[in-house]
Amino acid sequence: DGGITQSPKYLFRKEGQNVTLSCEQNLNHDAMYWYRQDPGQGLRLIYYSQIVNDFQKGDIAEGYSVSREKKESFPLTVTSAQKNPTAFYLCASSNSGTSVHEQYFGPGTRLTVT
Amino acid sequence: AQKITQTQPGMFVQEKEAVTLDCTYDTSDPSYGLFWYKQPSSGEMIFLIYQGSYDQQNATEGRYSLNFQKARKSANLVISASQLGDSAMYFCAMREINTNAGKSTFGDGTTLTVKP
Repeated sequence: DGGITQSPKYLFRKEGQNVTLSCEQNLNHDAMYWYRQDPGQGLRLIYYSQIVNDFQKGDIAEGYSVSREKKESFPLTVTSAQKNPTAFYLCASSNSGTSVHEQYFGPGTRLTVT
Repeated sequence: AQKITQTQPGMFVQEKEAVTLDCTYDTSDPSYGLFWYKQPSSGEMIFLIYQGSYDQQNATEGRYSLNFQKARKSANLVISASQLGDSAMYFCAMREINTNAGKSTFGDGTTLTVKP
């Protein structure tokens, strides 16, 4: 089945460690996105990529990094510079282009940093 | 300024009744799309319905319909015949084609509780 996978579902890290969240899609979508969601709040865009080997900062990129070496994969690294990394992270993908398309979301990763 | 505003943090509805979740938006881009997503307690985001800025008719998908009032810049979601499984958080989102690099902007969400 086509879809987006994120692993792991739950992730625990000690403060000061970098951690990488995985996101893979087999929908053949050009565009991929990373969002952060804090409890009871909406989604905030961290980074997005509209094509392989290219990505742009979203609204809250500080303390995060990404890569887009393959169309299917868009991993997110939460660095030790991120002041408050504990959150729910959602990856999404969509077709890009001149028409508007909905985003398909992965199941998310809950990151807890202590 | 907020691009997407959802003014109802929480809503209650009786099972089998209809409920309207409000969403207003702000854009100067003539080409945009409006989306509603459902987020159950598991955290996954489920796409429900889409309305394009040039669509003449309101979008419908099963029990979901979108009350699109372009002049008022509102895109309210109507859920008919509510079911217990509709209890979730609902997000309105907008994607602008020509501005904002095609990124989606999400509202803060409305938590819907369906009472038996």
